[in-house]
Amino acid sequence: DAKTTQPPSMDCAEGRAANLPCNHSTISGNEYVYWYRQIHSQGPQYIIHGLKNNETNEMASLIITEDRKSSTLILPHATLRDTAVYYCIPYGGAGSYQLTFGKGTKLSVIP
Amino acid sequence: DTAVSQTPKYLVTQMGNDKSIKCEQNLGHDTMYWYKQDSKKFLKIMFSYNNKELIINETVPNRFSPKSPDKAHLNLHINSLELGDSAVYFCASSQEGGYNSPLHFGNGTRLTVT
Repeated sequence: DAKTTQPPSMDCAEGRAANLPCNHSTISGNEYVYWYRQIHSQGPQYIIHGLKNNETNEMASLIITEDRKSSTLILPHATLRDTAVYYCIPYGGAGSYQLTFGKGTKLSVIP
Repeated sequence: DTAVSQTPKYLVTQMGNDKSIKCEQNLGHDTMYWYKQDSKKFLKIMFSYNNKELIINETVPNRFSPKSPDKAHLNLHINSLELGDSAVYFCASSQEGGYNSPLHFGNGTRLTVT
């Protein structure tokens, strides 16, 4: 059973905001929503995570719905270097060691 | 400063050989991991390890074994290599596994078995 549903691909114009959606309707109460990305030929890179509240850091913003069944990752001003596969992953709980990657969303930033 | 480093970056070897991939982290993390990314780009966890326990993904053949000489290192030994072992292997680390512990990944070792 897939824990998350993400669109397989998205395009975004350079300089515009990229909004990447994720459905995680079976998320448990103690699981955070994590976002990672993998740029071609590199290791996965941590972006941001949150539990209930919206979060922002230097890379992105994370909007989590009140029922926690879905979230949106926002890259405010996408650049060509943001082209990557983006993974949304429910994860956590004490002693949780299994960060499980799904298929993710391939984001292409277009000049 | 590279936080999680793996060596070698590329490894080409023949079937039946035994090889090792090294991983070191300088983040002071407690837990380290090995992931495998196959040709279809799926990332799957193989092992997680801290000073208390080794958790093995049950689908990993026992030809694969992690060895941790100290908290900063988790090496991956592979015996009797097979063609299907060709993949990119990623090492990662985090603070004690749990909800507030992002994983930091290395840049991978591309293993090709001929």
